[in-house]
Order: sequence, then structure tokens, then C-alpha cells
Amino acid sequence: DIVVTQSPDSLAVSLGERATINCKSSQSVLYSSNNKNYLAWYQQKPGQPPKLLFYWASTRESGVPDRFSGSGSGTDFTLTISSLQADDVAVYYCQQYYRTPPTFGPGTKVDIK
Amino acid sequence: QVQLQESGPGLVKPSETLSLTCTVSGGSINSYYWSWIRQPPGKGLEWIGYIYYYGSTNYNPSLKSRVTISLDTSKKQFSLKLSSVTAADTAIYYCTRSSRYNGDFLGWFDPWGQGTLVTVPS
Repeated sequence: DIVVTQSPDSLAVSLGERATINCKSSQSVLYSSNNKNYLAWYQQKPGQPPKLLFYWASTRESGVPDRFSGSGSGTDFTLTISSLQADDVAVYYCQQYYRTPPTFGPGTKVDIK
Repeated sequence: QVQLQESGPGLVKPSETLSLTCTVSGGSINSYYWSWIRQPPGKGLEWIGYIYYYGSTNYNPSLKSRVTISLDTSKKQFSLKLSSVTAADTAIYYCTRSSRYNGDFLGWFDPWGQGTLVTVPS
């Protein structure tokens, strides 16, 4: 299985400040034939299911605010919240779908400082 | 807009079989992959397996010996059976959907059901 790790485990950011979450896969998830990274990001608020934020590493799902951005390629990826809002308090997961079984990172909890 | 709803017992005895059903509404069950994912309380996400609308399945090797996923297209439902459960199977179980890309499983997941907590006492 491809192992996905995330850092940090948690972070606290002041309202309006930038939050950055890192995700690393144990092997490249870049498919050379289409130059796409098989990586997704999700947001999970307490008591709710995960919500898809990005696929193909950087393609924003419809309705996701543009303060969220996804970047990276190969084995290293980043989710950035450019200006943290109270509504962004959640756990964020990255997930690879390059190989079955799809696997998730352990999650990063984002809180308000 | 497609919605998914899990249903089934919230308590299963050790060594018995966990059985859940996911009902799809507001959209077609055709041309998609339908997965089960679980999340132990306070922990991360684990993909259990999928069924394609044609009926083909793929399971996580870690659970493969105990998992069966089936589909009833006429009812727009798909189901999960997990046998020989232990306390380690206590989790919120989600059903979710994936698409097909270049003839293959495209494994990002959207939308998700609200999830159902299944407890297996120790």
C-alpha cells in the first residue's frame, strides 16, 4: 500500500493568517501518461463526513472558497488556507488514489489561535 | 443532487456479521463506483472496498477475507457485510461514490453519506 503521511498533526492559526498543511506519499502519485497527480484533499468538521476540497492535487471542487489552494507534485503536496476563517476549523485529510487500495493520511487538525 | 444514506444496526455482537445498506437518491447508480469507508472514533479513514454498477468488486486486502459488497440497482442500494467482527471494527461507516476515468476506478470520493456508528462491544 502507498503510505500517506501529513504534517503537522495539528496547528493553531490566528484568524486571517495563513495555514499550511503538508502531505507526503511513500511513492510518486504522478501518472506520467497524463501528467496528473492522483491526490485529493478533504475537510472534516466534527460530526460530519469528509468533504472533498481538491482532486488532481490542485483542482478545486465546486463551491470551495478560493482561500483554499492545493499544490505539489510527485510525493510532496501542500494544502494552504490563505486567510483562516472560523468556519475552517476542521481536520484535513489528504488521500492518494494512484493505487488501490486508496489510502488516507492521518489528518491535520486546524484550530484558531 | 445525489444523496447517500446509510442504515443498519448500531450494535453488533463479537464474532457476528455487520450488515449495512446505503440508499442512493437524487441520481443514477449507473456508471459509478460505490465504496464503503470507515473511521474508528477519533481516528483516521480506511477504505473498505467498492462495487462497480456492473457488479465487479475490489476490497482492501486488509479486510478482504471478511468483506462482501453487493448491489441492488432496482432499489438503488448497495450493501456491506463484514463477518467475524471484533471491537476493532467499531467505527463510523460511510458510503460514498467515485467515478470512472480512462476505464478505471477514479478513487476520490464525493459525495458521502452522513455515516452510521457501529459498535462491537469487547
